[in-house]
Amino acid sequence: GQSLEQPSEVTAVEGAIVQINCTYQTSGFYGLSWYQQHDGGAPTFLSYNALDGLEETGRFSSFLSRSDSYGYLLLQELQMKDSASYFCAVRENTGGFKTIFGAGTRLFVKA
Amino acid sequence: EPEVTQTPSHQVTQMGQEVILRCVPISNHLYFYWYRQILGQKVEFLVSFYNNEISEKSEIFDDQFSVERPDGSNFTLKIRSTKLEDSAMYFCASRSGLLNTEAFFGQGTRLTVV
Repeated sequence: GQSLEQPSEVTAVEGAIVQINCTYQTSGFYGLSWYQQHDGGAPTFLSYNALDGLEETGRFSSFLSRSDSYGYLLLQELQMKDSASYFCAVRENTGGFKTIFGAGTRLFVKA
Repeated sequence: EPEVTQTPSHQVTQMGQEVILRCVPISNHLYFYWYRQILGQKVEFLVSFYNNEISEKSEIFDDQFSVERPDGSNFTLKIRSTKLEDSAMYFCASRSGLLNTEAFFGQGTRLTVV
């Protein structure tokens, strides 16, 4: 089976940096994705790591360590609009390369 | 920008009725998925579909569920006899044939079973 662990909730202030950690266990790991979801909206893709290291996309960066089964999403220069749920998700190499989502981290950005 | 389209956005149905949720994936995509999200919970995998057949299904995807790609553009999820616990947001997603590309999600259909 699969399991993904991430904090349920994080609070930070506008302009700050926040890191959301994710550990995973899966039998057919292919890569780690991060999705953002605002209330009532669809999951929106943020980043994907197939190899170890850091991927940077604007204010968002994502890191993966395959040997530690660990990754994180780093959000810089936080804005109020970043308040949302963030899901780490494992892409598996079976079943049509399906994506399995973690339970999500609710990020609250305060002024 | 191409997008995954789902209809209807909201469906209310009586317990025991059949519902069909419709999705139009992005046109050149090859992998199709259905997920569901019960209010306040995580996004759960239901089924993946490739080359006109199911690649994998989760334990949630029991005999009450079926998927179909009736023509070259639509991808449907049918629930034969809805239960109260089927009330959730249902998301369709599609991905191109390139392995290191993300899945694009539709805006979802909110299914309410009463």
